[in-house]
Amino acid sequence: GQNIDQPTEMTATEGAIVQINCTYQTSGFNGLFWYQQHAGEAPTFLSYNVLDGLEEKGRFSSFLSRSKGYSYLLLKELQMKDSASYLCAPRTGGYQKVTFGTGTKLQVIP
Amino acid sequence: GAVVSQHPSRVICKSGTSVKIECRSLDFQATTMFWYRQFPKQSLMLMATSNEGSKATYEQGVEKDKFLINHASLTLSTLTVTSAHPEDSSFYICSARPSGHYEQYFGPGTRLTVT
Repeated sequence: GQNIDQPTEMTATEGAIVQINCTYQTSGFNGLFWYQQHAGEAPTFLSYNVLDGLEEKGRFSSFLSRSKGYSYLLLKELQMKDSASYLCAPRTGGYQKVTFGTGTKLQVIP
Repeated sequence: GAVVSQHPSRVICKSGTSVKIECRSLDFQATTMFWYRQFPKQSLMLMATSNEGSKATYEQGVEKDKFLINHASLTLSTLTVTSAHPEDSSFYICSARPSGHYEQYFGPGTRLTVT
């Protein structure tokens, strides 16, 4: 089966940096996605990691360690609009099935 | 780029009726489309994976005769909720994977309320 573990909620200050951790246990791991989901809206794609290491994309960076079953999403220079849920989603299987956890609800405060 | 539309955005229907939801990839071809359901404060649950021109693959516990999926072209997939009941009320979201890519792009979702 699949098991994805993320903190349920986090709070951070505008302008600061926050790291959202994710550990996973899956079979047939092929890569890991991070998505952002604002309340009542559909998820939007943030990043995709296949190889170990850090991928930087603007204010957002994502890290993967396949051997440890661990990933994190790093958000820099936090803005109020970054308040959302962040979903860690491993990709597995031949159909490129993606499994979503319950996500981390991030609240950015002034 | 990579825009996915869904229609309708909201629908209210009476118990026992059927509802069709359309998912379109507007600026890319999608060999594979996915249908998810999300209940309040819960994670996205994959219902089925559909590949253009073939039958959908349903996840365990999802009734294929109740949730009919058709992926007739590389840009359109439809989900029909047949004989809807109040417990089917949920947020239904489709996603599409561009051919040759791994990431999925999500439509804006359809909020279904069955009365």
